[in-house]
Amino acid sequence: AQKITQTQPGMFVQEKEAVTLDCTYDTSDPSYGLFWYKQPSSGEMIFLIYQGSYDQQNATEGRYSLNFQKARKSANLVISASQLGDSAMYFCAMRENTGFQKLVFGTGTRLLVSP
Amino acid sequence: SAVISQKPSRDICQRGTSLTIQCQVDSQVTMMFWYRQQPGQSLTLIATANQGSEATYESGFVIDKFPISRPNLTFSTLTVSNMSPEDSSIYLCSVESTGTGDYGYTFGSGTRLTVV
Repeated sequence: AQKITQTQPGMFVQEKEAVTLDCTYDTSDPSYGLFWYKQPSSGEMIFLIYQGSYDQQNATEGRYSLNFQKARKSANLVISASQLGDSAMYFCAMRENTGFQKLVFGTGTRLLVSP
Repeated sequence: SAVISQKPSRDICQRGTSLTIQCQVDSQVTMMFWYRQQPGQSLTLIATANQGSEATYESGFVIDKFPISRPNLTFSTLTVSNMSPEDSSIYLCSVESTGTGDYGYTFGSGTRLTVV
């Protein structure tokens, strides 16, 4: 069964600095996808970035990049130049590319960006 | 990406009653997913709803408590039955996004349920 682990319940960062949010995963499926979502206090789920298990390059989307280390089964999210609006919950999630292709979430990390 | 309209956005319900949550998608999708997010927790998958067949429930969730309908490829409902305060959560529906280079899953805006 797939499993996602986020070991940082909370992280603090100063505005304009970079921050790394950790995510490790476990799966026996060779084909899978890894996702990061942001959930602000309003409750909506905002898709940030995706990494496929066969992708050779680390994914990047603007200020977000994913540090994908397949052998270590880690998919850490790096946010560069943090902004106050980045304060939110961040969830790592994984989809195995078999069956219903459901998304399974980690426990989340609350990021607080200070001025 | 697909756009999902989820209703109601919030409700306060008496224990023992039922609430039906609706999700309407602006495009046809094969599978819809229903999640529960208990206060301060992560999202937990309740069930996967495939059009034309019974929903598939995750461990710990049963059809009698969370009946799901999926009458067509753009619509689904989740009912929270015989509610108790422990059912107070945010309930979200989700579909897989479609389109070139679009790998994310789209979520409805959520239904914030309080059971008193």
